[in-house]
Amino acid sequence: DAGVIQSPRHEVTEMGQEVTLRCKPISGHNSLFWYRQTMMRGLELLIYFNNNVPIDDSGMPEDRFSAKMPNASFSTLKIQPSEPRDSAVYFCASRQTGSLAGGQETQYFGPGTRLLVL
Amino acid sequence: RKEVEQDPGPFNVPEGATVAFNCTYSNSASQSFFWYRQDCRKEPKLLMSVYSSGNEDGRFTAQLNRASQYISLLIRDSKLSDSATYLCVVKRSGNTPLVFGKGTRLSVIA
Repeated sequence: DAGVIQSPRHEVTEMGQEVTLRCKPISGHNSLFWYRQTMMRGLELLIYFNNNVPIDDSGMPEDRFSAKMPNASFSTLKIQPSEPRDSAVYFCASRQTGSLAGGQETQYFGPGTRLLVL
Repeated sequence: RKEVEQDPGPFNVPEGATVAFNCTYSNSASQSFFWYRQDCRKEPKLLMSVYSSGNEDGRFTAQLNRASQYISLLIRDSKLSDSATYLCVVKRSGNTPLVFGKGTRLSVIA
């Protein structure tokens, strides 16, 4: 399996621009998570989906952030407009949960997208 | 107060040393516990789960004290390759997300 795939791996943009981060979870996984990591705040959960349905978006910083999961194999995190304080590493993670997981609910992370907003 | 607290370190230890990391969590509803490892500029990866009775995986031993809401990780005979950030992770029951501490940085020195 290719693991969780994220794109782009690096993004440099100017303040005010729209940024779209993409994630392909591991095939068969039914839960998907978006995290943001900074030195100051560590790894923070932004939003997660179960079976493509957003469950908890209380970690999304503000209305500038939005996330979608149109199908089981694709999710996006969008920032519009971007600000310098959004600079961070954004990780997508997936896992299989419920009876199909057979007790093995290991969560796998993608390689992350390093975002720099100038 | 953060839900998971860890000493950020860094812990600088010589090869062969034994080092221990501690972690406390505030949510008594937490049911599952893990240690993740994160190498520099890489994603976090599961190191080991932590069970109530304590568990060992080679040079790594994890322990849980539910009464004190305290988790520990012991690394024996440290290797240079153990240098990384170790993240303490907790989870409530059901299909809920993992909650991460900020991590403890370990540098093993030759």
